[in-house]
Amino acid sequence: DAKTTQPTSMDCAEGRAANLPCNHSTISGNEYVYWYRQIHSQGPQYIIHGLKNNETNEMASLIITEDRKSSTLILPHATLRDTAVYYCIVRVPYNNNDMRFGAGTRLTVKP
Amino acid sequence: DAGVIQSPRHEVTEMGQEVTLRCKPISGHDYLFWYRQTMMRGLELLIYFNNNVPIDDSGMPEDRFSAKMPNASFSTLKIQPSEPRDSAVYFCASRIGGSEKLFFGSGTQLSVL
Repeated sequence: DAKTTQPTSMDCAEGRAANLPCNHSTISGNEYVYWYRQIHSQGPQYIIHGLKNNETNEMASLIITEDRKSSTLILPHATLRDTAVYYCIVRVPYNNNDMRFGAGTRLTVKP
Repeated sequence: DAGVIQSPRHEVTEMGQEVTLRCKPISGHDYLFWYRQTMMRGLELLIYFNNNVPIDDSGMPEDRFSAKMPNASFSTLKIQPSEPRDSAVYFCASRIGGSEKLFFGSGTQLSVL
């Protein structure tokens, strides 16, 4: 699985968009980008994943650069409940090896 | 659906005692995973099963750890004997083959004194 680099921490004002970056410069052609988050004292929660096209669901949007070497997770209107650690993971889908989590980005949404 | 169910939620034990953590995956999910989370090492994959068969146990720290999945709706992670360095939050997760969404339980907070 490709290595990812994320900032250790970020702050965001409540109601504003939170943009969480992830670098994955060694990503290979068949690897997808996945995002999970972990709210304090809970298990990680799936957010979104994609290959090269931008993706959107009810939780967030995923923007992947054309060269696929980086991506951004966007929470369009952050709330206090979005305060969590956000993990960016790159892997080949349906591989028998499963999600391996790095340190992630600790996002703090402030009122 | 009740989601992935883990028990107990908290476990406090003394060094040398046997500890058994339990997990019920989401019905119909054929992959089950055990993770451990500590401040120092983050989230680590310990072992995972596919159709009740252990596939990769390379993350199991040592022989004191063992995991079983006797049927599709139940798995255990056992530590015998337990040591203080085993103190961590242990998560169970499951997914269905063909889907990339992993669903986690609420975890078991283990403290070994």
